[in-house]
Amino acid sequence: DTEVTQTPKHLVMGMTNKKSLKCEQHMGHRAMYWYKQKAKKPPELMFVYSYEKLSINESVPSRFSPECPNSSLLNLHLHALQPEDSALYLCASSRSGGAFGELFFGEGSRLTVL
Amino acid sequence: AQSVSQHNHHVILSEAASLELGCNYSYGGTVNLFWYVQYPGQHLQLLLKYFSGDPLVKGIKGFEAEFIKSKFSFNLRKPSVQWSDTAEYFCAVGFNKFYFGSGTKLNVKP
Repeated sequence: DTEVTQTPKHLVMGMTNKKSLKCEQHMGHRAMYWYKQKAKKPPELMFVYSYEKLSINESVPSRFSPECPNSSLLNLHLHALQPEDSALYLCASSRSGGAFGELFFGEGSRLTVL
Repeated sequence: AQSVSQHNHHVILSEAASLELGCNYSYGGTVNLFWYVQYPGQHLQLLLKYFSGDPLVKGIKGFEAEFIKSKFSFNLRKPSVQWSDTAEYFCAVGFNKFYFGSGTKLNVKP
């Protein structure tokens, strides 16, 4: 079992919908991450929050909007997505930012955009 | 640009065979090194990590990896694989952020 919890596990949405992915960790970690993983590919970094502040945005399109309400929660708001955005979205956390510690991954939210 | 290379994309072994998966990275400074495993339908899990000290690190499930600084390598090894080791294996390097290799899919035949 993972200590990073992601909801929903599966999401199907149309291109005009607005939805959100949620991630929660209670390990006291101060860095949280969103990754996108396509089939048979490695995870691609999207965003990093460090101490609740956005520290890295890997030039992600604005139709993806991250939010970190507090140190335990991380959201990814989705709006006007394209079919090519269909993927597994992974949340991860680490003790602190800067890639100095291991990442703990959630099980992911599998997104299908119709 | 920084990169992580995993040379073996797909490896097929019989049970009890020995395993070595290659990982090379391009960054000249101090790095943290990781191997993650993703079993079918499951989340990414840490197998082992290297931060400093003994370059031979042991992880879970009998895996080990050796950091060779001069070769910029962090190869994963297991003396005798089991069917349950069938999974995808990702090497990752961390300095200012994490960089993942492209992954190696391991199939172990019973």
